[in-house]
Amino acid sequence: DQQVKQNSPSLSVQEGRISILNCDYTNSMFDYFLWYKKYPAEGPTFLISISSIKDKNEDGRFTVFLNKSAKHLSLHIVPSQPGDSAVYFCAASWGNNNDMRFGAGTRLTVKP
Amino acid sequence: SQTIHQWPATLVQPVGSPLSLECTVEGTSNPNLYWYRQAAGRGLQLLFYSVGIGQISSEVPQNLSASRPQDRQFILSSKKLLLSDSGFYLCAWRTGYSGNTIYFGEGSWLTVV
Repeated sequence: DQQVKQNSPSLSVQEGRISILNCDYTNSMFDYFLWYKKYPAEGPTFLISISSIKDKNEDGRFTVFLNKSAKHLSLHIVPSQPGDSAVYFCAASWGNNNDMRFGAGTRLTVKP
Repeated sequence: SQTIHQWPATLVQPVGSPLSLECTVEGTSNPNLYWYRQAAGRGLQLLFYSVGIGQISSEVPQNLSASRPQDRQFILSSKKLLLSDSGFYLCAWRTGYSGNTIYFGEGSWLTVV
């Protein structure tokens, strides 16, 4: 069962513009959400996270928004840079559950 | 600081051959350890996790197995590989200090031919 979904397999934006990556989840027990960035043939690197008690978390150019009622989160990158081109994975977990669920990923391409 | 290493980075194995991927974590003790797999065009699937030496939990039925002979060592094995075992395998760790954030190794590309 796919409890975390990233419905857009790819996204292309112009350098300097905003990139918005979306993620939906179905399990209302999830209370911690993360975004990972992955380059080809490398392991994912942790980017930013948000707890369910918040609706926004910001770190430099990256902001994650959480809408619990819609079971939706998004990652905003402003301004986008060519080095941001990668696959972005959304992930969710709850409590001390060791089963962190990942979405299928969205490939972001930032064009110079 | 904590680091995680896994090897080999790439391997090509014939169908029916055995597999051993190894992962070690440095700079922390008693981590939770994980094996994930990313099949082509798909997301990350949790295969095994371990909360301590000798403690292995399996998330999906398959011909793979995992072992944790030491606190910071996690091994993924198979006695006989299938074509469907091809993919990108990732080891990851988490401790109480990292909260619910897990950190991944570099990954191992396995191609079964």
